[in-house]
Amino acid sequence: AQSVSQHNHHVILSEAASLELGCNYSYGGTVNLFWYVQYPGQHFQLLLKYFSGDPLVKGIKGFEAEFIKSKFSFNLRKPSVQWSDTAEYFCAVSGGGADGLTFGKGTHLIIQP
Amino acid sequence: EAQVTQNPRYLITVTGKKLTVTCSQNMNHEYMSWYRQDPGLGLRQIYYSMNVEVTDKGDVPEGYKVSRKEKRNFPLILESPSPNQTSLYFCASSWSRKSYNEQFFGPGTRLTVL
Repeated sequence: AQSVSQHNHHVILSEAASLELGCNYSYGGTVNLFWYVQYPGQHFQLLLKYFSGDPLVKGIKGFEAEFIKSKFSFNLRKPSVQWSDTAEYFCAVSGGGADGLTFGKGTHLIIQP
Repeated sequence: EAQVTQNPRYLITVTGKKLTVTCSQNMNHEYMSWYRQDPGLGLRQIYYSMNVEVTDKGDVPEGYKVSRKEKRNFPLILESPSPNQTSLYFCASSWSRKSYNEQFFGPGTRLTVL
């Protein structure tokens, strides 16, 4: 079975700081990788996804992620965060014969003004 | 507007009283899924459906049932709810089971079982 690890459960940053959230997955075959954000009030939104091609993926709201196959990683980055980025961030993996998405446990990001 | 809807959004009930949480999507998606979200555990898949009349267990199916009689609807049924099913529930859908498809999420249903 697949598993997804998100290294940071809580992250607190000041506005304009740079962000990197770690994500590692366990399956060694072909995978598709996603980052979702869940805003206060519960609404989910897809930030970006990788399924083939350029391992550096650009998403919405200035987010990007890099797929490093040799490290089984798909870390999320943003060069300068804003207060409105306060939310919970989930890394998810699909593929490897499993149906649906396997989610990490989430990272709660708080941006202080 | 393309969307996944869930009802009710909030529900407080008592142990053993059967309940149904409805999920509907208007995007003609084949694949639908139910997740529960618990603090520190992320989202875990309960059941999923690859098409009408095709359903299968996810990671945490115990205590739940589902049905898929129509493409757009995928209700979650708790025949005899227990307090450990107190959670935040999300329905999601995507075009197909292909793993590269983005899943679209409903707004969530917060269930409390007393």
